[in-house]
Amino acid sequence: DAGITQSPRHKVTETGTPVTLRCHQTENHRYMYWYRQDPGHGLRLIHYSYGVKDTDKGEVSDGYSVSRSKTEDFLLTLESATSSQTSVYFCAIGLRSEETQYFGPGTRLLVL
Amino acid sequence: KQEVTQIPAALSVPEGENLVLNCSFTDSAIYNLQWFRQDPGKGLTSLLLIQSSQREQTSGRLNASLDKSSGRSTLYIAASQPGDSATYLCAVIQGGYNKLIFGAGTRLAVHP
Repeated sequence: DAGITQSPRHKVTETGTPVTLRCHQTENHRYMYWYRQDPGHGLRLIHYSYGVKDTDKGEVSDGYSVSRSKTEDFLLTLESATSSQTSVYFCAIGLRSEETQYFGPGTRLLVL
Repeated sequence: KQEVTQIPAALSVPEGENLVLNCSFTDSAIYNLQWFRQDPGKGLTSLLLIQSSQREQTSGRLNASLDKSSGRSTLYIAASQPGDSATYLCAVIQGGYNKLIFGAGTRLAVHP
């Protein structure tokens, strides 16, 4: 398995609080991604990174921000969590364009 | 906007059956198509990747085909086993940076 870890694996928080999820890789892959998975929607791209400090928005980026200060770490921040952001969040990495991505184990987030 | 649809949403079959999972996409301008497997509470595992110039890929009991012009892919599973029980996700890559667009998945149950 690709060396991808996500932390925390589970989190319960209250509406209005900031939340940061961390994705850490040991593979030195250039590309990193954050997806969310909700019933009936499959996975949807939130943000992605194509290098250190190079990030861009995905399909469902509203309410989320990201940062990548090192190759190995990609942080996803919910500035002020809402109940609609209750979801399972997956991080993925990729070495080259047009090749497969490797997924982390996911973080279950519940916003009360 | 690209949309990926998977039919059926759920499938229950007896062990030993050959089965076909379907995936369709609305825009044929894709770089490649991938099939993933997801076990409950786990991340995604890549099964097969078909480049846009290819027609099919095989791995063990799995065979995936791609017809770009009609916007369709099928995943064929031969001689199904209870261990094949999982959710199968189809995803296409369109545009740069290897961004995946997912279908909602087919939940497969193979019973002894």
